[in-house]
Amino acid sequence: DQQVKQNSPSLSVQEGRISILNCDYTNSMFDYFLWYKKYPAEGPTFLISISSIKDKNEDGRFTVFLNKSAKHLSLHIVPSQPGDSAVYFCAASERNYGQNFVFGPGTRLSVLP
Amino acid sequence: ETGVTQTPRHLVMGMTNKKSLKCEQHLGHNAMYWYKQSAKKPLELMFVYSLEERVENNSVPSRFSPECPNSSHLFLHLHTLQPEDSALYLCASSQVWDRGYGYTFGSGTRLTVV
Repeated sequence: DQQVKQNSPSLSVQEGRISILNCDYTNSMFDYFLWYKKYPAEGPTFLISISSIKDKNEDGRFTVFLNKSAKHLSLHIVPSQPGDSAVYFCAASERNYGQNFVFGPGTRLSVLP
Repeated sequence: ETGVTQTPRHLVMGMTNKKSLKCEQHLGHNAMYWYKQSAKKPLELMFVYSLEERVENNSVPSRFSPECPNSSHLFLHLHTLQPEDSALYLCASSQVWDRGYGYTFGSGTRLTVV
């Protein structure tokens, strides 16, 4: 059973508009969350993180929102750019398991010019 | 070189071959990982080395054998693999108990078993 779910395998957005990528988790012990971005033929790269003591973290065009009661987080990209086209992975970890992150299956974002 | 470097980038091997994947990190991290990425599946943690000791083995078949001679180098030894082992194998490193930026990943080795 997947502990981290990304129910949309793919998403297409027009350039300049907002991209919203969603992630749901089942383990209530998760207290730290990351988003990674992956281009073809490259490893995932860190994008943004959020701790469970916060409900929002912002870094430039990227904002992550955390709803602990719903066990849901989302990544907002505004405005979307063609270079944002990639696969986005959500990952979560428990404090007692330190660096052992559990990854979702990913969502492929296509930003159309 | 900086970051996490994996070699080779691509590998084709027969089911009776023995090969090794290599990973090297230049970040001063003290934990290293092997992940497997199969098509349309989440990243699967295979092995964790924290402070050069293996701390987890997620029921990975014995045909995969990790080796971590020091905190900067990690190997994955492969023997008598099956076609279903074809996947992207990713190495990552991190600083133990510092979850700030998660892992730094290498570019991966694309493995094809024929």
